[in-house]
Amino acid sequence: QKEVEQDPGPLSVPEGAIVSLNCTYSNSAFQYFMWYRQYSRKGPELLMYTYSSGNKEDGRFTAQVDKSSKYISLFIRDSQPSDSATYLCAMSGITGSARQLTFGSGTQLTVLP
Amino acid sequence: DSGVTQTPKHLITATGQRVTLRCSPRSGDLSVYWYQQSLDQGLQFLIHYYNGEERAKGNILERFSAQQFPDLHSELNLSSLELGDSALYFCASSVELGLAVSTDTQYFGPGTRLTVL
Repeated sequence: QKEVEQDPGPLSVPEGAIVSLNCTYSNSAFQYFMWYRQYSRKGPELLMYTYSSGNKEDGRFTAQVDKSSKYISLFIRDSQPSDSATYLCAMSGITGSARQLTFGSGTQLTVLP
Repeated sequence: DSGVTQTPKHLITATGQRVTLRCSPRSGDLSVYWYQQSLDQGLQFLIHYYNGEERAKGNILERFSAQQFPDLHSELNLSSLELGDSALYFCASSVELGLAVSTDTQYFGPGTRLTVL
């Protein structure tokens, strides 16, 4: 079983829809939770960064972390065709050698105009 | 643009050969991480260097090695290449001020696409 599970999709939605992306994890040591966006053949771009449980909002993006359920989500409101990309959840621990990121497999999102 | 640079962008080579991938972190960042992204394995952590010293190893093959130089750039050396080593190789950098608890985020470079024929 992988440490981080993410539905690979693909996910296709009409422009303006609300998109929900999710990951589950098994490692209780994870304390930092991130969402990256990756366009085809490009480097991952950091979208959201959350420490421990709670919600964080940035424009059209909202990240939620529920450590009790080991479940994180990313919501995209008023989705745009430019949001079409692969979305990767990532997690890391706190100390020493635990800072490397463990990624989900990515969800491919297409927003149709 | 994340500020992390990687060269070359593309590399095509033959099985059994050796290649070197180069990464320059963002200005001021002390940590460099290397990741491999393949279709079947996704993005996987290879190795982490902090200010010239190896900090952690992930799923890195013995044929692979890395180092970080005094100017903080890093090189990933891949030897005895096999077809299965074909992948995108990313480096990421973070500030990491040397504290026990890190709040740093990692910024990724554009990657090097390696094709082994």
